[in-house]
Amino acid sequence: GAGVSQTPSNKVTEKGKYVELRCDPISGHTALYWYRQSLGQGPEFLIYFQGTGAADDSGLPNDRFFAVRPEGSVSTLKIQRTERGDSAVYLCASSLYTGGLTDTQYFGPGTRLTVL
Amino acid sequence: AQKITQTQPGMFVQEKEAVTLDCTYDTSDQSYGLFWYKQPSSGEMIFLIYQGSYDEQNATEGRYSLNFQKARKSANLVISASQLGDSAMYFCAMREVSIQGAQKLVFGQGTRLTINP
Repeated sequence: GAGVSQTPSNKVTEKGKYVELRCDPISGHTALYWYRQSLGQGPEFLIYFQGTGAADDSGLPNDRFFAVRPEGSVSTLKIQRTERGDSAVYLCASSLYTGGLTDTQYFGPGTRLTVL
Repeated sequence: AQKITQTQPGMFVQEKEAVTLDCTYDTSDQSYGLFWYKQPSSGEMIFLIYQGSYDEQNATEGRYSLNFQKARKSANLVISASQLGDSAMYFCAMREVSIQGAQKLVFGQGTRLTINP
């Protein structure tokens, strides 16, 4: 079946602009996660959705970052007034969320964001 | 908070040899899960293998196995009979469950594995 997809694959923007990054999870997966991966680092958690609600947004770095998942499927990560430090790869992951210890997250290919 | 340490920034191995990628972790939880992911140059994180803290046997998935030593808090990934396609970044991760129910993954810095022909 289809995996997690993310669009665009690359996004170049200017400092101060607004960007939207889209994630389409695996069909039937209720849990959706956003991570950010800076160059040479492992991914870092940003936000978690269970269904339509953002259950845990403790990883968002500041209020310029916001994410939605209005119908419990596709999610959009929104960044306002972008800064050069926002440049990174933004990864989306989804899981079935059975609540068990073996719940596995499956990742998309990521969106590489470059802020000039 | 959980912490994952991968001390090998890079590893170089001859094709067909076995390779061990190191991972140590720190947690105060009794119940936890450990994951290994592969990230090729395309950028996608590919799930490889999972080990639960209460699993009595080391996890295995094809050519991948996990050398889990609970007392030492280590969960090393072993790749047998390495292939050129194994060249990639490898990340060890631990699940951290938040109060809100998020099963966040906490990742190490990664190890870049290069398989030489």
